[in-house]
Amino acid sequence: GQNIDQPTEMTATEGAIVQINCTYQTSGFNGLFWYQQHAGEAPTFLSYNVLDGLEEKGRFSSFLSRSKGYSYLLLKELQMKDSASYLCACRKGNTGKLIFGQGTTLQVKP
Amino acid sequence: DAGVTQSPTHLIKTRGQQVTLRCSPKSGHDTVSWYQQALGQGPQFIFQYYEEEERQRGNFPDRFSGHQFPNYSSELNVNALLLGDSALYLCASSFLGQPSGNTIYFGEGSWLTVV
Repeated sequence: GQNIDQPTEMTATEGAIVQINCTYQTSGFNGLFWYQQHAGEAPTFLSYNVLDGLEEKGRFSSFLSRSKGYSYLLLKELQMKDSASYLCACRKGNTGKLIFGQGTTLQVKP
Repeated sequence: DAGVTQSPTHLIKTRGQQVTLRCSPKSGHDTVSWYQQALGQGPQFIFQYYEEEERQRGNFPDRFSGHQFPNYSSELNVNALLLGDSALYLCASSFLGQPSGNTIYFGEGSWLTVV
């Protein structure tokens, strides 16, 4: 079956670092995506991991361990505009089908 | 280069009615997937179209149907609307021949409210 778990809510302070974890059990796993979604808007792509390790892109980094079924999204130098929902999604098979977690709502406080 | 476009952006329907939502994929993409996102939840996969055929389907009833046209654009139809169908409907496009990388793009979505 498919199961993706991530925390429902997190709070962090402007300028700090926050790590959002995601654990998954997905048959036919073929990569993990992280999306950012502001309220009332569509998800926007942040990162993609298919091999184990860390992918760094500016203030955002994403890590994947396939053997542990685990990923995290690391946000550095938090800004108020980073307040949003962060969605972890697994690609299933060799298609565009994504299985999403419920999303983590991050609130950045001054 | 236009991204994924969806229409309409917002609409209100009455229970029992039917609705059609439209999506044009990103240029160069040939696969369209539809997702339903209820408030406070992650998107749920409805189905995927490639070469004008439904290739995969999620756990949605037959009231949800779709179509893909020769120009790769797609429609999502929902019949006999229920209050629980109120959600954001997202279209995602990709290129089946490029399975890796960040090649899944979402449109802005269509907000459906059923009253």
